[in-house]
Amino acid sequence: GAVVSQHPSRVICKSGTSVKIECRSLDFQATTMFWYRQFPKQSLMLMATSNEGSKATYEQGVEKDKFLINHASLTLSTLTVTSAHPEDSSFYICSARTGFWTYEQYFGPGTRLTVT
Amino acid sequence: GQQVMQIPQYQHVQEGEDFTTYCNSSTTLSNIQWYKQRPGGHPVFLIQLVKSGEVKKQKRLTFQFGEAKKNSSLHITATQTTDVGTYFCAGHTSGGSYIPTFGRGTSLIVHP
Repeated sequence: GAVVSQHPSRVICKSGTSVKIECRSLDFQATTMFWYRQFPKQSLMLMATSNEGSKATYEQGVEKDKFLINHASLTLSTLTVTSAHPEDSSFYICSARTGFWTYEQYFGPGTRLTVT
Repeated sequence: GQQVMQIPQYQHVQEGEDFTTYCNSSTTLSNIQWYKQRPGGHPVFLIQLVKSGEVKKQKRLTFQFGEAKKNSSLHITATQTTDVGTYFCAGHTSGGSYIPTFGRGTSLIVHP
């Protein structure tokens, strides 16, 4: 149980275009999902917390107009990188909590974004 | 804000040797989780510690939570090549915050 999928696994896009990444909880309902960014050989940087039916809470320094997060259902959250630039190239990972009173997170397989 | 320091950043061991990674928080934690990320993979939840002084074991892995709930450790006995990866701790502050603070991770390299 507690499986999280992420799509696409890899994406290459041109500068100035937008890219949407989907995160789905496959066998549970996720009231809260998290979006992280990870640079090579570095830790996870929390970008935002996404709660179903409400606006995402962004961490300090993360541009909410650039990284649009939508959590429209209990099993789906999306991250859209708008007007992507090469510096947005990174590994984006989502995670989900299995319940309101739980702390452990289950991570998706990640999306490798390359902006050319 | 809350900080979770994790050391060492890298650890090279010969297969069969033991390995330990440590996490220290600047504030008291309500709980702490440990995750493992294999090279090229994503973090996988290993365990959660909640009680002061708690010790949990998973085969060759031993997890400890300090008495003051400000530090934790993961010890692997007799490492194997399958233990290769980066181990992260993630702490939650007392008061019920669901926003985790991750340590920077310890990358374990096991030489056969």
